[in-house]
Amino acid sequence: NAGVTQTPKFQVLKTGQSMTLQCAQDMNHNSMYWYRQDPGMGLRLIYYSASEGTTDKGEVPNGYNVSRLNKREFSLRLESAAPSQTSVYFCASTYTQGWDQPQHFGDGTRLSIL
Amino acid sequence: AQSVTQLGSHVSVSEGALVLLRCNYSSSVPPYLFWYVQYPNQGLQLLLKYTTGATLVKGINGFEAEFKKSETSFHLTKPSAHMSDAAEYFCAVRGYTGTASKLTFGTGTRLQVTL
Repeated sequence: NAGVTQTPKFQVLKTGQSMTLQCAQDMNHNSMYWYRQDPGMGLRLIYYSASEGTTDKGEVPNGYNVSRLNKREFSLRLESAAPSQTSVYFCASTYTQGWDQPQHFGDGTRLSIL
Repeated sequence: AQSVTQLGSHVSVSEGALVLLRCNYSSSVPPYLFWYVQYPNQGLQLLLKYTTGATLVKGINGFEAEFKKSETSFHLTKPSAHMSDAAEYFCAVRGYTGTASKLTFGTGTRLQVTL
C-alpha cells in the first residue's frame, strides 16, 4: 500500500550541480504534480502532468524540468541548482476526472543547495 | 481564479481546549475545499473535504469543518485538542488549469498543543 513514493528523502547539492527527483504512484492516477514548500509560503505548484505524455508549467517553473516517464512516474530535474531552490519538494497524484478527488502526497524530498 | 487565506500562522491551545483554524477562500466557480494536515517530516494527509451537499463535514481524528458560502469560509474545528494534534494544517481550494485539476493552498497554520 505504498501510494506516492519519492526518492531520495534528503539531498545536499553544491551550486551548479544537477539532480533528478523521482516520484512514482501505484494508485493508477492520471494526474501528477510537483510542489515546493517554503516556510510561510505554503505549497507552490512547479509543474504538473494531466496525463501520460503531457506536462505543463505551474506557478514557479523556472529552473526546473519534468518528465512524465509513464503513467506511474513523474520526475523533476534541476539542471543547475541554485541556493534559492533549497526547499522541500512534494509529489502528488490524483484522478483528473472528478473534482471531489483529493490529491495524494508523498513524504517529500528535503533538498539543500550550498 | 482561486485563492485561500489562512488567518494566523501559529495557533496555540491547551490540551482539551477547542481548536479553531480559520480559512477563507475566493473562487470564481463553486468551490471544492480541502483541509490537509502535515506532521513533522511527513507529507500532507487529507483531513476532510467539502464538495457538495452537507455544509458540515466530518473528517479524521475528530476534526470537522463548516462551509459557509455567505462568509466564504471553511474553518476547521475540533472540540478537544490532543497533544497528537500538533502539526501544520493547510486549507486548499480546487481549481482547473485547463487540462488538469489543481489545488491552491493557503500558507498554513502551525498548531501547538500545550499541557
